[in-house]
Amino acid sequence: QKEVEQNSGPLSVPEGAIASLNCTYSDRGSQSFFWYRQYSGKSPELIMFIYSNGDKEDGRFTAQLNKASQYVSLLIRDSQPSDSATYLCAVNPRGGFKTIFGAGTRLFVKA
Amino acid sequence: DAGVTQSPTHLIKTRGQHVTLRCSPISGHKSVSWYQQVLGQGPQFIFQYYEKEERGRGNFPDRFSARQFPNYSSELNVNALLLGDSALYLCASSTAGPNTGANVLTFGAGSRLTVL
Repeated sequence: QKEVEQNSGPLSVPEGAIASLNCTYSDRGSQSFFWYRQYSGKSPELIMFIYSNGDKEDGRFTAQLNKASQYVSLLIRDSQPSDSATYLCAVNPRGGFKTIFGAGTRLFVKA
Repeated sequence: DAGVTQSPTHLIKTRGQHVTLRCSPISGHKSVSWYQQVLGQGPQFIFQYYEKEERGRGNFPDRFSARQFPNYSSELNVNALLLGDSALYLCASSTAGPNTGANVLTFGAGSRLTVL
């Protein structure tokens, strides 16, 4: 079982729609959870992080965490073509400094 | 403020050679992490250093080594290069340490290594 799993996609949504990206993790004691965005040929950049159960909103982005289900999601409202990128879910496992990334989900927003 | 800087940006090596990649973290960041990213995959954790000590190591062979200097910059060394080492090598810095909360990473632009 991979430590962080994501559907590789691609996920295609029309402009203005809500994009929903999902991630599961294996270490139940994981502490912090992150969403990074990576444009083609660029390095990852942080969108947001969450460490408490529930929702966390930042502009058009909402991260959702359910530790009981070991599930993290990212919702992108009013999707724009500029949101087309690979979205990486990342986790800090318990007791460690390392951050483990999933394989990423490719998102295409069609104009 | 300068972000995370990495050098070189691109390099080509042949099998069996050695490579050294360099990284300078954001000023004030004491932690540096190294990742390998193969096309179509997420970044794979190689090492993390904090205050010049290795704090984490991923599932990579001993051909991979790293160190962190007193100014918090870091080097990643790879010996006896294999074709499969061709990848984008990413350095990330953070303020991570005991009791610093979420380990938010800021990545450099990466060093793209091609092994022929």
